Amino acid sequence: QKEVEQNSGPLSVPEGAIASLNCTYSDRVSQSFFWYRQYSGKSPELIMSIYSNGDKEDGRFTAQLNKASQYVSLLIRDSQPSDSATYLCAVNESGGSYIPTFGRGTSLIVHP
Amino acid sequence: GAVVSQHPSRVICKSGTSVKIECRSLDFQATTMFWYRQFPKQSLMLMATSNEGSKATYEQGVEKDKFLINHASLTLSTLTVTSAHPEDSSFYICSAGPGGNHNSPLHFGNGTRLTVT
Repeated sequence: QKEVEQNSGPLSVPEGAIASLNCTYSDRVSQSFFWYRQYSGKSPELIMSIYSNGDKEDGRFTAQLNKASQYVSLLIRDSQPSDSATYLCAVNESGGSYIPTFGRGTSLIVHP
Repeated sequence: GAVVSQHPSRVICKSGTSVKIECRSLDFQATTMFWYRQFPKQSLMLMATSNEGSKATYEQGVEKDKFLINHASLTLSTLTVTSAHPEDSSFYICSAGPGGNHNSPLHFGNGTRLTVT
């Protein structure tokens, strides 16, 4: 059973701070990792993809992947109230079906 | 790129009626699309995998005769909720990925909020 674990939160950070969202996964052959943002009442939107160990930066977002520890994280710098949402981690295995496994999501609240 | 369009965005229907939800990939072909359901403050739940030209694959516990899926073309999948009941009220979301491989992220439609009265 493939599992993707996220702390449900809520994670509360002040405006301007760094928000750190974490995700662990159970399947060692996982190869592709995605972060989605979901605002309340809306569908998820893709914000980051990462495939190799290390960091990947896109604007205020940095995804970090450590395959040995089976750990992927998302850092949001200079957090804004508009970043308040649920962040979903998704993991694809390397072969067979490419249906991603989603975590339950972490609720982030950025307060002014 | 990779736009997925879903229609309608919101529907209210009476108990016992059927509702059809459309999902279109606008700028890519999708041999496979996915249908999810999400209850308030709950996580995404995969209902079924829609395969172009063949039968859908349903997740355990999802009634295939109640949730009819048709994927007649490479850009369109439909989900029909038959004989809807209030407990079917939920947020239904379709998704697809342009690459069709494990490196290809899914892109989601805007979702359909179904309310059954």
